[in-house]
Amino acid sequence: AQTVTQSQPEMSVQEAETVTLSCTYDTSESDYYLFWYKQPPSRQMILVIRQEAYKQQNATENRFSVNFQKAAKSFSLKISDSQLGDAAMYFCAYRSAAGNQFYFGTGTSLTVIP
Amino acid sequence: ETGVTQSPTHLIKTRGQQVTLRCSSQSGHNTVSWYQQALGQGPQFIFQYYREEENGRGNFPPRFSGLQFPNYSSELNVNALELDDSALYLCASSLAGAVVREQYFGPGTRLTVT
Repeated sequence: AQTVTQSQPEMSVQEAETVTLSCTYDTSESDYYLFWYKQPPSRQMILVIRQEAYKQQNATENRFSVNFQKAAKSFSLKISDSQLGDAAMYFCAYRSAAGNQFYFGTGTSLTVIP
Repeated sequence: ETGVTQSPTHLIKTRGQQVTLRCSSQSGHNTVSWYQQALGQGPQFIFQYYREEENGRGNFPPRFSGLQFPNYSSELNVNALELDDSALYLCASSLAGAVVREQYFGPGTRLTVT
C-alpha cells in the first residue's frame, strides 16, 4: 500500500511570512494525484491544492504553491504571506490514477503568530 | 451548489451498540467515500460507494458496512461498537469519470463510544 509521510507534526510562522510544509510518499506507480487539504478547528477538510503527477509544472493557487519532485517523491506546500486564517491542520494526500482510495499523512499543525 | 452534509454532528454510544451515520453528497457528485479519523491522525479510508455498490474498501472489518441511495446519499453502519471506534467519521463526495476525482468533505460526525 502507498504511504504518505509528513515529518513535521507542528510548524509555526509569523503573519505575512512564508512557510513550507513537507510531504513525502512511497509508490511504485507512475500516474497518480497529490493533494493538500486543510482542516481548521471546525473539522471540515478543505481542498487547498492538487497536482497531477504527469504535469511537470508545479501547481499554484493564489498564496499556495507546491514543489513537486517526482523522482524524490516529495510534495511540499508553500504558503506565502501567511494569514491568521491559515492556522489549521494540513494533510497531504495521495491517490492512484487507477484507484479510488485516498491515502493521507498524519498531518502538520500550523500556527500563525500575529 | 450545496456542499457535503453529515448528520448527526455528535453521537455518544455504548460499547456493543450499533450506529448509523448519514451523508448527503455535493450536488452533482455520484461517488461517496467514508473515512475514520482518530484523534491526532489522518483520515483512514473505510470504503467507497458508486452506483449504490461498494467500490473499494480499506482495512476495516465487516461490522463496518454502508449503503448508497439513488440520490447518491449514503449511510455508514457500525455494529458491535468498540471503544476504538471512537473517532471523527468523515464523508467525502466526488464525481466518477472526472479526471482528478478530487474529494470534497463534509464536516464529520464525532462518535464517542463509552
